Amino acid sequence: EAGVAQSPRYKIIEKRQSVAFWCNPISGHATLYWYQQILGQGPKLLIQFQNNGVVDDSQLPKDRFSAERLKGVDSTLKIQPAKLEDSAVYLCASRPSWGLLGEQYFGPGTRLTVT
Amino acid sequence: AQTVTQSQPEMSVQEAETVTLSCTYDTSESDYYLFWYKQPPSRQMILVIRQEAYKQQNATENRFSVNFQKAAKSFSLKISDSQLGDAAMYFCAYRAGGGADGLTFGKGTHLIIQP
Repeated sequence: EAGVAQSPRYKIIEKRQSVAFWCNPISGHATLYWYQQILGQGPKLLIQFQNNGVVDDSQLPKDRFSAERLKGVDSTLKIQPAKLEDSAVYLCASRPSWGLLGEQYFGPGTRLTVT
Repeated sequence: AQTVTQSQPEMSVQEAETVTLSCTYDTSESDYYLFWYKQPPSRQMILVIRQEAYKQQNATENRFSVNFQKAAKSFSLKISDSQLGDAAMYFCAYRAGGGADGLTFGKGTHLIIQP
């Protein structure tokens, strides 16, 4: 079974530029999450999708961050414009909708550096 | 809001010895789940062990076990017979029982294994 795929693995941009990250979850996984992990900290949830609907985006800085999952499969997270404090690893995770203890499977992450 | 606290930024243990990583959490929910994740330098988050709050019995997975004290809101991880491959960041995480079930992570504990 293929794991959660993310691209790119690394990205360096200047502040005020735009950037987009892509995630393809494990096949059949209805729930998808985006997390932001700043160096030295644990991941922080940005947004949760159930199929193509948003379940929780309470911690997403909506003035600059946006995310979509149009067909309920892969997802894109965008930052526009980027700030220095957005430098972090962006992790995508997915889990199946069945079972209360559906484990979240994480991708390898995208490391963003904003200069 | 739920919070997860890991008070040990770094722990060191001799190979083959036992080490315990601490975690406390704060929640007003009665239905929730607790997890320990391992994050090696490759950044891929790997689930180590999980515990349902309604279960009194502590979870065990091979060399990994937890001490779940619900009243004290404590959830520690014990690693027995430590191996070099156990070296990583360990994150304690909380998940509510409802639909919005993104994980809330602690700041992590860096585990060093001394050969």
